[in-house]
Amino acid sequence: GENVEQHPSTLSVQEGDSAVIKCTYSDSASNYFPWYKQELGKRPQLIIDIRSNVGEKKDQRIAVTLNKTAKHFSLHITETQPEDSAVYFCAASKDTGFQKLVFGTGTRLLVSP
Amino acid sequence: DAGVTQSPTHLIKTRGQHVTLRCSPISGHKSVSWYQQVLGQGPQFIFQYYEKEERGRGNFPDRFSARQFPNYSSELNVNALLLGDSALYLCASSSTGGSQPQHFGDGTRLSIL
Repeated sequence: GENVEQHPSTLSVQEGDSAVIKCTYSDSASNYFPWYKQELGKRPQLIIDIRSNVGEKKDQRIAVTLNKTAKHFSLHITETQPEDSAVYFCAASKDTGFQKLVFGTGTRLLVSP
Repeated sequence: DAGVTQSPTHLIKTRGQHVTLRCSPISGHKSVSWYQQVLGQGPQFIFQYYEKEERGRGNFPDRFSARQFPNYSSELNVNALLLGDSALYLCASSSTGGSQPQHFGDGTRLSIL
């Protein structure tokens, strides 16, 4: 089955710096890749997603890139702010008549003022 | 508009008991998925329901079951609880059962003593 690896497990940056989180997936049939932000004790919040027919997507300070050949996708956060501190999860799924999101192990991002 | 709502927020049970968790999807969404999130890990897929029918099942034992009602709300049932069932149980809704964005509720924190 699908396996998603995520790196790094923790990431510490200074406010204003950029942060990059990388994920690799195993199933070449995967075609939908969302990213979730989960603050302590709260729900995973969908922050951006990308489909396999697109190489890059941007939403203000957040961008996601997808390399289908290498089977990896990345989350880029620019001009980080303390409120960006959270655990970020990548996920992958494919069309099988239903949607099973397979999640990475998470990246704890800490943005210091 | 209300997001995904789950009840109860917290639950304490003992080994061998059973539990029922409830989820109401976002208005207009017809699909509900259930995930188990163990502390420090990403969510693991349990079930997806669409239009009251089970569309997909993850690698969980038969002690786990679910159903979806005509109003698209859903219940997750777990029988013969084990210590290892202690986790955050998340419900996510999406407009259809395919590769559509899934939006999560706050979850039910289940503790088994």
